[in-house]
Amino acid sequence: DIQMTQSPPFLSASVGDTVTITCRASQTISGFLNWYQQKLGKAPKLLIYAASSLQSGVPSRFSGSGSDTDFTLTITGLQPEDFATYYCQQSYSTLRTFGQGTKVDIK
Amino acid sequence: QVQLQESGPGLVKPSQTLSLTCAVSGDSITTESSYWSWIRQPAGKGLEWIGRISSRGRTYYNPSFKSRLTISSDTSNNQFSLQLASVTVADTALYFCARDMGVSSPFEWGQGILVTVSS
Repeated sequence: DIQMTQSPPFLSASVGDTVTITCRASQTISGFLNWYQQKLGKAPKLLIYAASSLQSGVPSRFSGSGSDTDFTLTITGLQPEDFATYYCQQSYSTLRTFGQGTKVDIK
Repeated sequence: QVQLQESGPGLVKPSQTLSLTCAVSGDSITTESSYWSWIRQPAGKGLEWIGRISSRGRTYYNPSFKSRLTISSDTSNNQFSLQLASVTVADTALYFCARDMGVSSPFEWGQGILVTVSS
């Protein structure tokens, strides 16, 4: 299995802050990395696909970067609706795997 | 845009078989290079990919479930199903069905269905 390690697991921030979440793969996954936002009891919502492509309709304050094994999700100017849990997911291997999640809450 | 809708019992007894169906609209499950997955999330925990079936009917299972998992498709009704045998309380989770279009493709998700394993 390709293990996906996210950090930090928890993050406290204020509205307007810039936050960065990292995701590391246990082996190279090229650029086959997706980021999702999930709110309690709901399906994950796609934010970024292929490491850095912004999904249609997602605000431009979300951005992604990275390749091979190291990836980041950045939220520039955190908004109240951004307080949620974020997951990375690799689509390189047939056995799809997710990071453990990063919960972003209000400081 | 594809839409996916999970259905099935919300309560299953321990040792029994958990059975869920995902109805698909907006696309055919036989669309070339499409893959139809099941993913679950225990309360307060992360996402776990269970397995998938391809547009050609080929399955691939997470080894963690392999011995008790069956995923099948019903092309007549444009749906696919999950059967997980010998369930325990550890199988209590929110179950999602999802589609992706292969390598590099993200998931498109159903809304999820909560399944509780309890006597």
